[in-house]
Amino acid sequence: AQSVTQPDIHITVSEGASLELRCNYSYGATPYLFWYVQSPGQGLQLLLKYFSGDTLVQGIKGFEAEFKRSQSSFNLRKPSVHWSDAAEYFCAVGAIEYGNKLVFGAGTILRVKS
Amino acid sequence: EPEVTQTPSHQVTQMGQEVILRCVPISNHLYFYWYRQILGQKVEFLVSFYNNEISEKSEIFDDQFSVERPDGSNFTLKIRSTKLEDSAMYFCASSARGREQFFGPGTRLTVL
Repeated sequence: AQSVTQPDIHITVSEGASLELRCNYSYGATPYLFWYVQSPGQGLQLLLKYFSGDTLVQGIKGFEAEFKRSQSSFNLRKPSVHWSDAAEYFCAVGAIEYGNKLVFGAGTILRVKS
Repeated sequence: EPEVTQTPSHQVTQMGQEVILRCVPISNHLYFYWYRQILGQKVEFLVSFYNNEISEKSEIFDDQFSVERPDGSNFTLKIRSTKLEDSAMYFCASSARGREQFFGPGTRLTVL
């Protein structure tokens, strides 16, 4: 069965510090991966995506993620966090073989200390 | 920038009532999806729709649920007889080619 694990439910970082949010997946097909961000009461905004090719992908708002097939991971990073980055972050995985439905992780809530 | 819109933003209904949640996907998109997120839980896939028919549905999407694209622009999710456990945020998404999905802001459904 397809699954996505985000091991950290909550993370707190200081403003200006670096950030890494972890995502591991278990999939029976060649996956494509996404990170979405959700602010309270809002929808899901796409941060970045990986389909194929270069395993380091750049997204909006200064975020990047690296696909590591050997580790089944797709961790999200940002070198310097801003207070406005406080939100919930979701990793999601899909595959053409599974009809393109997305399987989401449980989310990581990011709190930023000033 | 084109975006997916959903109405209403919040729907309160009594148990056993029918509700229709509406979505306007991005205009040139061909693939449509519904997901739901029960408070404090993961976002879960409900159904995908392409070429005027359901492509795939999850176990959650039982006979109480139906989807329709009535007029070429709207995409609706109907719950025939709501239960308390249907209370959730419902997200519509659309995609041009099936992979990259753009989500709407969601409809919060509260069943009393």
